[in-house]
Amino acid sequence: GAGVSQSPSNKVTEKGKDVELRCDPISGHTALYWYRQSLGQGLEFLIYFQGNSAPDKSGLPSDRFSAERTGGSVSTLTIQRTQQEDSAVYLCASSPQTGFNTEAFFGQGTRLTVV
Amino acid sequence: QKEVEQNSGPLSVPEGAIASLNCTYSDRVSQSFFWYRQYSGKSPELIMSIYSNGDKEDGRFTAQLNKASQYVSLLIRDSQPSDSATYLCAVLYNFNKFYFGSGTKLNVKP
Repeated sequence: GAGVSQSPSNKVTEKGKDVELRCDPISGHTALYWYRQSLGQGLEFLIYFQGNSAPDKSGLPSDRFSAERTGGSVSTLTIQRTQQEDSAVYLCASSPQTGFNTEAFFGQGTRLTVV
Repeated sequence: QKEVEQNSGPLSVPEGAIASLNCTYSDRVSQSFFWYRQYSGKSPELIMSIYSNGDKEDGRFTAQLNKASQYVSLLIRDSQPSDSATYLCAVLYNFNKFYFGSGTKLNVKP
């Protein structure tokens, strides 16, 4: 596609429910990143994929968070048993490759509200 | 922990002036640096990347990098009200993880 696409744009869920957030990267981009941005805050790294592998999961806040990527394309971030502190904008970015001169491009984000 | 520090602002400049945004980073081995613009309620948009010491110009934007001082800056010439946004500095670590500063809010007053 022309850009990184995320769905849904907005998600309101009840505390304790599971949610799935989807990211469709720019076609041909091998690297994919998930970040979280709380209101008025900077971007918090969650996880990165190179192809279907996730070499770095160090940013996942707890074992309630998981992510996968299939076919070297679409990625899903799953949050189980959501808590109010999970409320944030979840941003996905992709880049053509990892390396010295890679550039990352962001999707529009998914705004998650846990009530 | 890799630190990327920015003054949160807000930085207020009059229309037509030069806006100067600054960023420092903690990791000496970082090689790649980026500036993103984020309008309120929107996602970050890449505006500049810089990899070598010195200046890089793109239209009204100039990025400056000083690796010895671990300092990167963004100059916006002839600032316009449409430049009002939060500017995020990003540093690429280990060629595969982007660390972001918390951003500087810029207000350009007509």
